[in-house]
Amino acid sequence: ETTVTQSPASLSMAVGEKVSISCKTSTDIDDDMNWYQQKSGEAPKLLISEGNTLRPGVPSRFSSSGYGTDFVFTINNVLLGDEGIYYCQQSDNVPYTFGAGTKLELK
Amino acid sequence: EVQLVESGGGLVQPGRSLKLSCAASGFTFSNYYMAWVRQAPKKGLEWVATISTSGSRTYYPDSVKGRFTISRDNAKSSLYLQMNSLKSEDTATYYCATPFAYWGQGTLVTVSS
Repeated sequence: ETTVTQSPASLSMAVGEKVSISCKTSTDIDDDMNWYQQKSGEAPKLLISEGNTLRPGVPSRFSSSGYGTDFVFTINNVLLGDEGIYYCQQSDNVPYTFGAGTKLELK
Repeated sequence: EVQLVESGGGLVQPGRSLKLSCAASGFTFSNYYMAWVRQAPKKGLEWVATISTSGSRTYYPDSVKGRFTISRDNAKSSLYLQMNSLKSEDTATYYCATPFAYWGQGTLVTVSS
């Protein structure tokens, strides 16, 4: 089973700052990493899919990089509406496993 | 517009069974693998099951294998999750998803006596 280690657990940022979230996997997953945003009381929303591919309609402020076992999710110029919990998930092998989440708060 | 609407959640006693449904619309259901993902209260996400387009292949994590069964009816554009021998740790909101671009709003399952 591939373990996904996500950090940090929480972030408190000011509007306009840059956010970086790390996910490390215990096995090589190529670039089969997905990134989600979950706002309070809502279902998760896929922002970036395998191959560091930005989903349609997602602002280009969101991006990701990485291959193998080390991945980084970035939000440039963070906005108030970006508050929520962000999850990474590997979709390379079963069981598909998620990171524990990063709670993003805006100051 | 893709829509996934879950139903069937509720309060159930430990050891009992429950069947969830997911009605899909806005896309060609039979062309897509489908999945269930759950989220315990105030906790993270856990993948629960995936089914192939024809239903011939299914996949589960060890935590539910042997107790949960995912199935589908392509003629009805519907996905199901039969949950048996429920435990308190199965308490969660269960989401239906096209792995993993589109998600429903979820249905809450509470396992308690």
